[in-house]
Amino acid sequence: DAGVIQSPRHEVTEMGQEVTLRCKPISGHDYLFWYRQTMMRGLELLIYFNNNVPIDDSGMPEDRFSAKMPNASFSTLKIQPSEPRDSAVYFCASSPGRGGGYTFGSGTRLTVV
Amino acid sequence: EDKVVQSPLSLVVHEGDTVTLNCSYEVTNFRSLLWYKQEKKAPTFLFMLTSSGIEKKSGRLSSILDKKELFSILNITATQTGDSAVYLCAVEANFGNEKLTFGTGTRLTIIP
Repeated sequence: DAGVIQSPRHEVTEMGQEVTLRCKPISGHDYLFWYRQTMMRGLELLIYFNNNVPIDDSGMPEDRFSAKMPNASFSTLKIQPSEPRDSAVYFCASSPGRGGGYTFGSGTRLTVV
Repeated sequence: EDKVVQSPLSLVVHEGDTVTLNCSYEVTNFRSLLWYKQEKKAPTFLFMLTSSGIEKKSGRLSSILDKKELFSILNITATQTGDSAVYLCAVEANFGNEKLTFGTGTRLTIIP
């Protein structure tokens, strides 16, 4: 199994530009999570999906952030427009649920200048 | 709101020392507590604890949960430079709610 696959690994963009982060979960995992990690705040849950349906998006910072999961094998997290304070590492994770644990992707390091 | 607090924030020890990392939590309808190790990339799973007083062990690492006092410890004996990492504690709550709440982590540095 290739694990959770995220792309790109690194993204540097100018303030105001649109950024799209991508994630392919492990096949058969019903849950997909988007986390953001910063030095100051640690790992914060942004949103999670169950069977492609968003369940909890209370962690999404503001309307500039949106996430979609059009099918069981793909999800995107979009920031439009991006701001320097969005600079962070964004992790995607998937889980089979029912206490089956999480598997994290390698993350996307986003730098907004 | 669920809360996880880890201590110390950082720790520097010499190779061969034993370390104890702490995690306290406040959560409604506790389900499990998990420990992860994060080096330069993604967190990797170490332990899942659901019952009080039962030690989980993997090599030089061990962990135990106290559900009465709402904390867990992670012990690492005979530390090696490869143990240098950020150790994250997370709690899972509410059966059917699969999200994890993470602490900010303990940064462990092992000096050769």
